[in-house]
This record gives sequence, C-alpha cells and structure tokens, in this order.
Amino acid sequence: GAGVSQSPRYKVAKRGQDVALRCDPISGHVSLFWYQQALGQGPEFLTYFQNEAQLDKSGLPSDRFFAERPEGSVSTLKIQRTQKEDSAVYLCASSSRDRGTNEQFFGPGTRLTVL
Amino acid sequence: EDKVVQSPLSLVVHEGDTVTLNCSYEVTNFRSLLWYKQEKKAPTFLFMLTSSGIEKKSGRLSSILDKKELFSILNITATQTGDSAVYLCAAFKQGGSEKLVFGKGTKLTVNP
Repeated sequence: GAGVSQSPRYKVAKRGQDVALRCDPISGHVSLFWYQQALGQGPEFLTYFQNEAQLDKSGLPSDRFFAERPEGSVSTLKIQRTQKEDSAVYLCASSSRDRGTNEQFFGPGTRLTVL
Repeated sequence: EDKVVQSPLSLVVHEGDTVTLNCSYEVTNFRSLLWYKQEKKAPTFLFMLTSSGIEKKSGRLSSILDKKELFSILNITATQTGDSAVYLCAAFKQGGSEKLVFGKGTKLTVNP
C-alpha cells in the first residue's frame, strides 16, 4: 500500500481481556516501530524491529506487552490482561533504511480503550 | 534520561499571525531533530535537521537547529486555519536503537 496501515482503528476491551493490534508497514521498509501515545502526550517508544529481529524492546511497559514481526513485514502488538492504564493510541511507524534512518512514516494508529 | 521539552504547550492565534514553536532537548548520542504535524492520528513529517544554523524551509514553514544551545524552533508565517494541529518535536539518536524521543507537543489553534 501507499502508506502504513493499522487495524483495528478503534478497539474497546474489558479489563483483563487480551488484544492484538496489527501494523502493515510500507512495502520494503526494513525498520518498524511501535509507539504509545496517551491523551495529551507525545508518542513514547515501545519497541523496534529491523526485519524480523526485535532489536529494542526497552519501552515495553510490562511483560503483558509482546510484539512480533515473524516474516519481517506485518507486525502485531499484543497486550495481555489489559488494564485501564493501557488506554492510549498505539502508533506504528516504518522507515526504509536499516541503520541511520531518520524519517519514520506513521500509521493512523489504533485507539485502545480499556473499560 | 533523554528529554525533549516543547513550549508553549498550547497556543491560540488568529489567521495571518506568525508563530514560533520551541523545542529543547537533552539527548545522548543526538543525531538529528525532526518536526511532525499531527492533526487527527498519524504524525506527518515536516522537517529533519541535522546541522546547526541551516534553515529548512517549506512554504510558510521554516525550522532551524542550534546544536550548541540544544534548541530548535519551528516558524509558521501567515497562519491559516488548516495549520491547526499538534506540532511534535522528536530527537533521533545515533547508534543502537533507531527510536525517536518525542516532546509532548504544542497544540496550535488558528482562529479565522
């Protein structure tokens, strides 16, 4: 596709449910990033993939958060046993170079609301 | 700890006004600074600044970086209602992870 796509665009979950958020990066982009954006805040880094390798997961807030990119293209962010504080917009971004990349192209995000 | 601070947090102006948005950063292994515009969901790229003192320009928008003072500004002249958005500043670190460290953003509202 022309840009980064994410699905679903909106997700409402009851506390304790598991959710899975999908990201389709721009075709051919090596690098993929997940960010979490709480209301009124800037995006905060969660994790980074170079192809299928997860090179940095230092931003994942707890072991309930898990991300994968098994074939180096589509990525899934999974949140287990969701909590209210997980409510946020989850942004995915991709970039074309595997090192020294600068411009990251963002998807529209998934707005997660945990009740 | 890496830090990017934007000011003001919000700004309301009238069409035609000129605005200056500020971004300061304290980031280890700093490589470049990026500005994004966020209207609905996806931040859209505006500028990337790597060298000090070189102004980048795109239409009514311009930006410059001061690596000595660890500071960048984004100027918008002759503002229009379509400029209303959150403007995000982010620092890109070299080496290791390729992540961006974002500020909280400046919410700009341009009234007709």
